[in-house]
Amino acid sequence: QKEVEQNSGPLSVPEGAIASLNCTYSDRGSQSFFWYRQYSGKSPELIMFIYSNGDKEDGRFTAQLNKASQYVSLLIRDSQPSDSATYLCAVYVDTGRRALTFGSGTRLQVQP
Amino acid sequence: GAVVSQHPSWVICKSGTSVKIECRSLDFQATTMFWYRQFPKQSLMLMATSNEGSKATYEQGVEKDKFLINHASLTLSTLTVTSAHPEDSSFYICSATTGGVYGYTFGSGTRLTVV
Repeated sequence: QKEVEQNSGPLSVPEGAIASLNCTYSDRGSQSFFWYRQYSGKSPELIMFIYSNGDKEDGRFTAQLNKASQYVSLLIRDSQPSDSATYLCAVYVDTGRRALTFGSGTRLQVQP
Repeated sequence: GAVVSQHPSWVICKSGTSVKIECRSLDFQATTMFWYRQFPKQSLMLMATSNEGSKATYEQGVEKDKFLINHASLTLSTLTVTSAHPEDSSFYICSATTGGVYGYTFGSGTRLTVV
């Protein structure tokens, strides 16, 4: 079982719709959860992070965390063609190593 | 905000030669830096973790003699790919943190092509 799992997609949504991206993780000791956006050929850029159960909103983005079910999701409202990218879920577990563990990413396509 | 500069952004080298990639934290001191590798359409795979002034910790399956990491100061870490081969062609990305769980910043990445 992979430590962080994501559906590879592509997830296709029309412009203006809500895109919902999901991520599950295996380690119950995971403390913090990150969503990164990666455009083709570029390095990841942080969208937002969450560490408490519930929702966290930042502009058009909402991260949702459910530790009991071990999943974290990202909602993108009013999706734009510029949101088309690969979205990486990353998890932090305090093992002393301090590195983030990444999922394989979900490719999002927003159709104009 | 925290900025990490990575150079070069792309490099082409001949098989058997060595390539050095630099990762600098420009406006903060990075106690820990991470090196990732990403093959096309795959996720980031952690190669090694480096702490300033100490030996890097390599992930299982990563050859430490092939991928030399030096973290000589709190603002600079280097990755040297020695005796590069075509299978080493990949996108290498560094990340730096000040130690806080939220403070991960990525460099812009280096596209390495070995011919």
